[in-house]
Amino acid sequence: GESVGLHLPTLSVQEGDNSIINCAYSNSASDYFIWYKQESGKGPQFIIDIRSNMDKRQGQRVTVLLNKTVKHLSLQIAATQPGDSAVYFCAETSGGGADGLTFGKGTHLIIQP
Amino acid sequence: KAGVTQTPRYLIKTRGQQVTLSCSPISGHRSVSWYQQTPGQGLQFLFEYFSETQRNKGNFPGRFSGRQFSNSRSEMNVSTLELGDSALYLCASSLVRGYNEQFFGPGTRLTVL
Repeated sequence: GESVGLHLPTLSVQEGDNSIINCAYSNSASDYFIWYKQESGKGPQFIIDIRSNMDKRQGQRVTVLLNKTVKHLSLQIAATQPGDSAVYFCAETSGGGADGLTFGKGTHLIIQP
Repeated sequence: KAGVTQTPRYLIKTRGQQVTLSCSPISGHRSVSWYQQTPGQGLQFLFEYFSETQRNKGNFPGRFSGRQFSNSRSEMNVSTLELGDSALYLCASSLVRGYNEQFFGPGTRLTVL
């Protein structure tokens, strides 16, 4: 598969446990945030997004939390499954989503059986 | 429905050459964005095209350029290739401008020798 980062932080969790992946951003003007999942050999896949006027948003088995005070974003995955094994990226943009995306470095999530 | 296709999938060039990469968006999608992914810098936004016009550009030198045709297909060109241009180049398409409905292709792996 593709090597997307030689020094990615790694998070190893047991199958069935909840996973929490964190992301810090620096631009206080950022108002739209996205989490992507990238499996080996594939392009990124949109998971969930959140606008700055919200602090929490839930999807299917995923929840994104936004703390604008400390410029922190997290992705929670409930009941982690083997198919969740991938690299997860956060991305931010400003201008209501009209500007280009800035990506975080990514976290490699490894699922232990 | 076919996904985003990128050609070629793999490419080897030497320093100083130029290269053109192609992206065919999902049928009906009018917005195409390009990204560069490297182990060192991670994912970086290159540019976005919508209705044949460049709408956004990331922080890349003028050697990187692109265009979009009337059928929404897009090409990006890199002139005077440098070793550091070795990367996975990803294309993503969406129906309208915005990132929450963006679908990525598998990428073109460019190696510069």
